[in-house]
Amino acid sequence: NAGVTQTPKFRILKIGQSMTLQCAQDMNHNYMYWYRQDPGMGLKLIYYSVGAGITDKGEVPNGYNVSRSTTEDFPLRLELAAPSQTSVYFCASRSGTGEAYEQYFGPGTRLTVT
Amino acid sequence: GQNIDQPTEMTATEGAIVQINCTYQTSGFNGLFWYQQHAGEAPTFLSYNVLDGLEEKGRFSSFLSRSKGYSYLLLKELQMKDSASYLCAVMDSNYQLIWGAGTKLIIKP
Repeated sequence: NAGVTQTPKFRILKIGQSMTLQCAQDMNHNYMYWYRQDPGMGLKLIYYSVGAGITDKGEVPNGYNVSRSTTEDFPLRLELAAPSQTSVYFCASRSGTGEAYEQYFGPGTRLTVT
Repeated sequence: GQNIDQPTEMTATEGAIVQINCTYQTSGFNGLFWYQQHAGEAPTFLSYNVLDGLEEKGRFSSFLSRSKGYSYLLLKELQMKDSASYLCAVMDSNYQLIWGAGTKLIIKP
């Protein structure tokens, strides 16, 4: 199993550009998450999904959009990039209960907006 | 509001023991997690506590007191590879994780 994969690893965007961060998992997990991590701060939830076709906003959704057309894929779209979106973005997934609440993380996408 | 507090940075010596504390105030509680994150890498799961008490996993142990809103991660026989950030996270009533800012642990030889 590849686990959770993310592309690209690094990206530099100009202000106002758009891009899609890709995330895929091959563990048949229903739950998927997008976080951003800024220096010295905890992970902040952007969007999450409890299954194909179902998505919901997290703590910091402004400036982002998601879709979940399949169980495997959960892309994050940035429209009109702003310097405040410079961050490291992590995608994560999990299955069910108990220690299965454990979230598995992708390697991250380091995004700079200038 | 929801809040997770942990020290920003700690230093310890190779071979020693270190305890990293975490206090929390959240809307609901469905368990507390500890994750390890090496610089430039993704977080990886260390432990999960939902009942009071101590859970031991090799060199790492995690303790929870729900009445005090308190947990700690105990690392024994420290090795250089334990130099990393340790993230405390609480699963709230909506089954979402609320994350602390992390404790950077520096191990000195």
